Amino acid sequence: AQTVTQSQPEMSVQEAETVTLSCTYDTSENNYYLFWYKQPPSRQMILVIRQEAYKQQNATENRFSVNFQKAAKSFSLKISDSQLGDTAMYFCAFGTLNYGGATNKLIFGTGTLLAVQP
Amino acid sequence: DGGITQSPKYLFRKEGQNVTLSCEQNLNHDAMYWYRQDPGQGLRLIYYSQIVNDFQKGDIAEGYSVSREKKESFPLTVTSAQKNPTAFYLCASNSPGQGSYEQYFGPGTRLTVT
Repeated sequence: AQTVTQSQPEMSVQEAETVTLSCTYDTSENNYYLFWYKQPPSRQMILVIRQEAYKQQNATENRFSVNFQKAAKSFSLKISDSQLGDTAMYFCAFGTLNYGGATNKLIFGTGTLLAVQP
Repeated sequence: DGGITQSPKYLFRKEGQNVTLSCEQNLNHDAMYWYRQDPGQGLRLIYYSQIVNDFQKGDIAEGYSVSREKKESFPLTVTSAQKNPTAFYLCASNSPGQGSYEQYFGPGTRLTVT
């Protein structure tokens, strides 16, 4: 069975500093996708960043970047220059394609609650 | 604006009643999904559908039912057989067949059953 583990239930960071959220996963698949989603107090799920397993280059989106270690099955999220608006629950998710590529089921970790302190 | 709408935002029901949660998308996505979120847990997949009139059970389908009569709509019915229906329900959509692998989520419905 595929699993996603986020071992840090809560984290805190000072505004403008850098923080790294951890995520590990377990799978026997070779082709898959990894995602970080953000869920602020409004509870709207927002995509932060995605990584295709076949790409060796780590994905980046402005202040957000990942460290993807395929052999170690690790997918951490680094937030640089943290802002108060980054305060949210962050979920790591793993997805593979099925039904001939028509759908992809996502498996989510339990989340890390990040608090950015002023 | 393209997006996913879920209604209502809050829903209250008495135990023993069936209740239907609405999910509509105007993103022209082929696939749609229903997730359940409980405190301290990640999202768990209830049902998903890749095309009109076809859908599959997810990891926690017992006590739920769905239909997909239109591409834009994927309503979820929480039946009286669901033992712990109080939760936050999220609908999502995408089109992996067209390279859209990330799922886009609606704002969610908070269901409380007493």
